[in-house]
Amino acid sequence: GEDVEQSLFLSVREGDSSVINCTYTDSSSTYLYWYKQEPGAGLQLLTYIFSNMDMKQDQRLTVLLNKKDKHLSLRIADTQTGDSAIYFCAVAFMNRDDKIIFGKGTRLHILP
Amino acid sequence: DVKVTQSSRYLVKRTGEKVFLECVQDMDHENMFWYRQDPGLGLRLIYFSYDVKMKEKGDIPEGYSVSREKKERFSLILESASTNQTSMYLCASLSGQGGDEQFFGPGTRLTVL
Repeated sequence: GEDVEQSLFLSVREGDSSVINCTYTDSSSTYLYWYKQEPGAGLQLLTYIFSNMDMKQDQRLTVLLNKKDKHLSLRIADTQTGDSAIYFCAVAFMNRDDKIIFGKGTRLHILP
Repeated sequence: DVKVTQSSRYLVKRTGEKVFLECVQDMDHENMFWYRQDPGLGLRLIYFSYDVKMKEKGDIPEGYSVSREKKERFSLILESASTNQTSMYLCASLSGQGGDEQFFGPGTRLTVL
C-alpha cells in the first residue's frame, strides 16, 4: 500500500465535528503534520505532532496519534463553511532520511 | 511578509522547450523541496536539497533536474518539456529542525502544449 493513506472525500453538516483519518505504513515516523489547502491557495500548515505525543489540541482542532496502529486523525469541532478545503496528512520518516511523505488529501465538504 | 516566492504563477511552454522554475526563500532554511500536484494524486516529491549544491532525488525525478547554487534559491529544470509535465509545481522550504513549519510557495501552474 501507499506510505500515507487517507480517504479522498468527507461530507459533514455545518456545526458537526469532522474527523479526518490518516494511516501510514512505516513505524519510524518522527513528525506528523496536517495541512489545509483552500481553492486557489497554497498549503497552510494547521498543526503538527511529534511521534512521542498521543494528542494535541489547538482551539477547534484536535490531533490524535495512535502510534501502535500507525493512525493519525484530525478532528475539527463545530465545523464551519470556511473549513471547506482539502486536508493533507504528511509524515516524516526517519528510515527515509526524514523525507516528508504526503497523503493524497481528503476533500472536506460542508453541508448547510 | 512573503517567505517563499516562485518566479511565475502561470507558465505555458511548448513540447521540447527547456523550462526553468525558480524558487526563493528568505528564511535562511537549509532544506528546500520541489513537488508537483496533480488531481487525485496529491503531492509528489520531485527533488529536494538539504544544503547548497546538495540534491537528492525524490519519488518522481525522471525528466527533471535541479540546481542549488545559493542557499536561498532552488531551481527546477525541465530539460525537454513534455505534455505529461503539465501540472502545478510547488516549492517549499524547511529549517534544519524537523518540527518547524514547512513553508510553501504559491505554486506555478505549468501547461505544456
